[in-house]
Amino acid sequence: DAGVTQSPTHLIKTRGQHVTLRCSPISGHKSVSWYQQVLGQGPQFIFQYYEKEERGRGNFPDRFSARQFPNYSSELNVNALLLGDSALYLCASSSTGTGGLNQPQHFGDGTRLSIL
Amino acid sequence: GNSVTQMEGPVTLSEEAFLTINCTYTATGYPSLFWYVQYPGEGLQLLLKATKADDKGSNKGFEATYRKETTSFHLEKGSVQVSDSAVYFCALNRREGGSEKLVFGKGMKLTVNP
Repeated sequence: DAGVTQSPTHLIKTRGQHVTLRCSPISGHKSVSWYQQVLGQGPQFIFQYYEKEERGRGNFPDRFSARQFPNYSSELNVNALLLGDSALYLCASSSTGTGGLNQPQHFGDGTRLSIL
Repeated sequence: GNSVTQMEGPVTLSEEAFLTINCTYTATGYPSLFWYVQYPGEGLQLLLKATKADDKGSNKGFEATYRKETTSFHLEKGSVQVSDSAVYFCALNRREGGSEKLVFGKGMKLTVNP
């Protein structure tokens, strides 16, 4: 079975631009979460979506938005890019929205976003 | 609030050495605890988990025990291999309303030399 897939793998943008990152969860998984991992740090939670509804949001500005589609894939959008947005963006899926104890989150390989 | 503190790295060991990576946490309630591993150029992989006090998680020779009294979840392996070279993250799960998120430590880079 395919794991969590993310696209693109790498992306270079300039300040002020907009970016869209995509994620396809493991088949059958209905929850998708997004994390930002700055170099040398642990991942930071951005969003969780479950059954196409936002379930949780981390401490990120409104420039960050996301959505989940009927097939449970998801997009993360970032507007007005800043240099500080340079990071690895990770997508994780799980089978339920709050079942982490026995349904751990499975991560994709991430999208490396560089802002010039 | 909820947070995870890991020992500072990077750490370099020789093959077959003993490994300990310290992890302590601060949390309300009783979170589940996890160790994730990140190999170069890849995403995170779940290494092991423990869901309640005194539980021991184990996988691929790695072990960690959920210690409520010391709020710790230290990772150990008796004999590391070159293939264990990676970044290791300790994490807890945090439930808020209808959502669930992972709170990670900063990670510790391990290099194992032959």
